[in-house]
Amino acid sequence: AQRVTQPEKLLSVFKGAPVELKCNYSYSGSPELFWYVQYSRQRLQLLLRHISRESIKGFTADLNKGETSFHLKKPFAQEEDSAMYYCALSGIQGAQKLVFGQGTRLTINP
Amino acid sequence: EPEVTQTPSHQVTQMGQEVILRCVPISNHLYFYWYRQILGQKVEFLVSFYNNEISEKSEIFDDQFSVERPDGSNFTLKIRSTKLEDSAMYFCASSKGLKGYGYTFGSGTRLTVV
Repeated sequence: AQRVTQPEKLLSVFKGAPVELKCNYSYSGSPELFWYVQYSRQRLQLLLRHISRESIKGFTADLNKGETSFHLKKPFAQEEDSAMYYCALSGIQGAQKLVFGQGTRLTINP
Repeated sequence: EPEVTQTPSHQVTQMGQEVILRCVPISNHLYFYWYRQILGQKVEFLVSFYNNEISEKSEIFDDQFSVERPDGSNFTLKIRSTKLEDSAMYFCASSKGLKGYGYTFGSGTRLTVV
């Protein structure tokens, strides 16, 4: 079964501190992993995907197949990073649907 | 930047009534989707649509749900007889291709069933 787990519903850190949002997945094959962000009253936006190994807004995420994890990290949090973050996976067997985690609400304190 | 447009942004309906949620996907996208998010819960896949037919649906998408692309631009989700538990945020999305790439989400329709 496809499953995405984000263990933290809420995460609060101070500005300038490192941030790590955890994501673990369960999938029998090799999924594609994504992080989506939703700022207040805005739509879901793609933040990054594992296949491109890019860094967006200072965030990075490394796929660890051994630990089935795809944690999102940023070395120095900024106030504008406050948002809801969703980890998601997509199977590669032709299915296009996204399976989302519960989401983590990140709050950056000044 | 192209957007997926959803209307209305908020709809209130009485239990048992039919509702139609509307979406205009990005024009050169081929795959269309509906997701829903009940308050406080995760975003859940409902249905995907490709080449004028449903390509995949979840167990949530039962006989009271239907989708249609009536005119080549709109993509609608109909709920025939709404229940209280249908109250949720409904997101439309579209993409160019497989593997979840290039997804663009709409801003959602908040459906409240009273």
